[in-house]
Amino acid sequence: GESVGLHLPTLSVQEGDNSIINCAYSNSASDYFIWYKQESGKGPQFIIDIRSNMDKRQGQRVTVLLNKTVKHLSLQIAATQPGDSAVYFCAENWNYGQNFVFGPGTRLSVLP
Amino acid sequence: DTAVSQTPKYLVTQMGNDKSIKCEQNLGHDTMYWYKQDSKKFLKIMFSYNNKELIINETVPNRFSPKSPDKAHLNLHINSLELGDSAVYFCASSPRGRRRDHTQYFGPGTRLTVL
Repeated sequence: GESVGLHLPTLSVQEGDNSIINCAYSNSASDYFIWYKQESGKGPQFIIDIRSNMDKRQGQRVTVLLNKTVKHLSLQIAATQPGDSAVYFCAENWNYGQNFVFGPGTRLSVLP
Repeated sequence: DTAVSQTPKYLVTQMGNDKSIKCEQNLGHDTMYWYKQDSKKFLKIMFSYNNKELIINETVPNRFSPKSPDKAHLNLHINSLELGDSAVYFCASSPRGRRRDHTQYFGPGTRLTVL
C-alpha cells in the first residue's frame, strides 16, 4: 500500500507484482517529463521520458502514462524486482528550457 | 568511465567555514547544474550553466557561488557555512538544444554536514 505524510511517501509491493507510482505536476505549460530512479547513496538515474504529444510510452518493464487534463503522470513497473527498490522522482520541463522541477519522490519498497 | 564526477563524496565541516565542491563531466554536454537534496529527499535546482554562462540562479543565498572554468567543469563554492546548508549536493549535465535526449545525467552526490 501507499502512505503519504510528513515522510517520503512509500509504496510497498510484493516481488513479482506490478507497481504504479503516481506524480502530480504543477505547470500546465510543461511539455517534457522524466522519471528518475535514485538508489541509496547514488544520484538520480534516468528511467524513461515522455513528451506532451504522447500519452503513453513503454520501455523495458516500465511504462509511463501522461494525463495532461489532470496534470498527472504515472510510472508502471511490471514484475517488480528487489533491485527496483529505490526512490522514484518525476520531473517536468517546458519549452526545452534548463529548469527541471522535481516532484517530492516516492520510495518503492519491494517485499520478498 | 565516469560520466559525471564530484569531489569530495563526503564533506564534514564547522559552521562559518568556506568550502568547495568540484564537478566534472566527460559527456561533452553544454549545460551543467547544481541541485540540493534535503533530508526529506526533496530535490531542488540551484544553478544552471550553459557553456560557462549562468542561466538559472534560483533563490539561493549569495554565499553560494558557482564557478565554471570551462564547459566540462562546474564547481560550487560556499562561504560562511550554516547548519541549514547540510544536505546532499548533486551536479548534473545535459545536452543543449531541441533534441530528444534533453535529460540530465547526475553525479554521485556530495554529502555536506555542517557541525
